[in-house]
Order: sequence, then C-alpha cells, then structure tokens
Amino acid sequence: AQSVAQPEDQVNVAEGNPLTVKCTYSVSGNPYLFWYVQYPNRGLQFLLKYITGDNLVKGSYGFEAEFNKSQTSFHLKKPSALVSDSALYFCAVRDFPIKAAGNKLTFGGGTRVLVKP
Amino acid sequence: DTEVTQTPKHLVMGMTNKKSLKCEQHMGHRAMYWYKQKAKKPPELMFVYSYEKLSINESVPSRFSPECPNSSLLNLHLHALQPEDSALYLCASSQETGSRVDEQFFGPGTRLTVL
Repeated sequence: AQSVAQPEDQVNVAEGNPLTVKCTYSVSGNPYLFWYVQYPNRGLQFLLKYITGDNLVKGSYGFEAEFNKSQTSFHLKKPSALVSDSALYFCAVRDFPIKAAGNKLTFGGGTRVLVKP
Repeated sequence: DTEVTQTPKHLVMGMTNKKSLKCEQHMGHRAMYWYKQKAKKPPELMFVYSYEKLSINESVPSRFSPECPNSSLLNLHLHALQPEDSALYLCASSQETGSRVDEQFFGPGTRLTVL
C-alpha cells in the first residue's frame, strides 16, 4: 500500500526566510508524488509533482521539491517565504501501477504553515 | 477553462432531507472524484468515476449516492445523513489517460452541515 507521512503538524517561519515542509513516502513500485496547498475555506491547489527524472522539481508560486530516493523523502521548499504562503500543505502519493479505471491519491496528514511578518 | 465548479457553496440539511451536490468541469477530463474533508484533516476519497463509470467506491455508506450524467458533470445525492457527515465535500477531476500521471484539479468544495 502507498502512504505518505508529514512529520510536522505546523511549521512557523519568518517572512523572507527559507521554508521547508517535510514529507516521507512508502510505496511498492515507482513513487508518484504530489504537493497541494489549501487556503482557508478553499479547495486544494496543485503545486508540483514528481514522476521521474530530475530530483529537483519546480512548481507554482516559487515552490520546489527535492526527491530523495535513499531517504524516501519529498520535501517542499521555498527560498523566501511570504505571509501569503500561510496555508495547509498536503503531500500525496498516487497509485502504482497506473490503472486505466481510476487511480487513488493518498494524502499525508497535512502541515500548517504560518509565515510571520 | 481550468476550473472545477461546485454548487452550492454551503448546505444545511436535516437528517430526513434529500439534497444533491453538483460538480462541473469543462477541461475534457475523463476522471472525476468525490472527497470528504473534516476540519484540519486530509481529504478522504469517496468515489472515482472514470469515463463516466464508477470505478472506485471506498466503502461509502449508501446514504451517499454518486451519479455521473455526462463527462462534465458529477452529482452526489444525499439522503438520511447523520450529523457526523458534516464536512467539506470536494470534487476533483483529472485527465486520466491511463498512461500518464496527471494532477487532480479541485473545486472549492461544498460546506455541508447536518442538523
């Protein structure tokens, strides 16, 4: 079974400082990994995904994530955090192998990010 | 159009009511999903429709009944719900070609309160 874990319930960071949100995964087969962000009372917004290839994935809003196979991690990073980055962040893993008749996305527990001015 | 829309935004219903949630996308996506999300928790998958056919039902109680009238629309019919069913219900869609790993696009959700 596929699973992801987000070890931190909350991350606090000062505006302008680097932001890191941690995610580790456990999969049988190839890891298909995603990051989503959720602002209050809103749906989830896709940030980036890793399928294969370059271990550094660039995404929306200045975010990037580093895939590390040996550490089974997929940490989300932003070099300089903004107050507007305060939100709930979810790491997720997709079914493997890909099924033609529907695929599941399994989410981690979420990490609340608070960026202080 | 890269948007998934959901109506209504808020819904309050009694335990004996029948109501429906609606979801629509015009991105040509062939997979559509219903999720349930409790406060400060991750979304939990309920149903997946692939090419207008129900492909995944995550052992959801029969008081929730999904329907996919066409490739752009997804409904969730609600009947005899319980207060613990109060949650944010999210709809999502994805391209779902069967050979690619596509991201899901989420709607803003319907905030459901069962009294």
